Amino acid sequence: RKEVEQDPGPFNVPEGATVAFNCTYSNSASQSFFWYRQDCRKEPKLLMSVYSSGNEDGRFTAQLNRASQYISLLIRDSKLSDSATYLCVVNIRADTGRRALTFGSGTRLQVQP
Amino acid sequence: GAVVSQHPSWVICKSGTSVKIECRSLDFQATTMFWYRQFPKQSLMLMATSNEGSKATYEQGVEKDKFLINHASLTLSTLTVTSAHPEDSSFYICSARGRQGSMELFFGEGSRLTVL
Repeated sequence: RKEVEQDPGPFNVPEGATVAFNCTYSNSASQSFFWYRQDCRKEPKLLMSVYSSGNEDGRFTAQLNRASQYISLLIRDSKLSDSATYLCVVNIRADTGRRALTFGSGTRLQVQP
Repeated sequence: GAVVSQHPSWVICKSGTSVKIECRSLDFQATTMFWYRQFPKQSLMLMATSNEGSKATYEQGVEKDKFLINHASLTLSTLTVTSAHPEDSSFYICSARGRQGSMELFFGEGSRLTVL
């Protein structure tokens, strides 16, 4: 089982739609969670951190469910410019004790006019 | 936010040659930088952690003699792909944490390597 799993998509949604992605992680000791956005052939950029209490930034809402070991990203009122790949990132502590940010394979979102 | 610059953006080389990729932190000092590789439609895979003034820490399965990492200063880390082969063709990206204690990563623009 992968340490961080995401549905690769693509999610094809019309402009104005609400779309949600989930990401599951296998290591219950994971402490930090993030959503990054990556445009085609570009570097990833931080979209938002995910806090235990959930957090919102404009049209974007991130939530953490520790019991079920998943995080989610909700995008309201989708814009064409939201089209990208959304990467789930989890700070995982390996058996060696070393921590590393582990990336999911990403969920592709395509917002259509 | 912190700025990380990577060079070159694109490189095409012949099989058997070596290619060096540079990663610079432009407005902050990075004692630690990370090198990732990303194949098409796949996730970023951490290759190694570059530590200023000491040896890099390589992830399992990554050949340290093939992917040479040098972190000679607080603002520069280099990745050299030695004796490159077509299967090494990939998108290589470096990153660094903008400030100590922060988990946010700032990425370089990436370097697309094509080995003929």
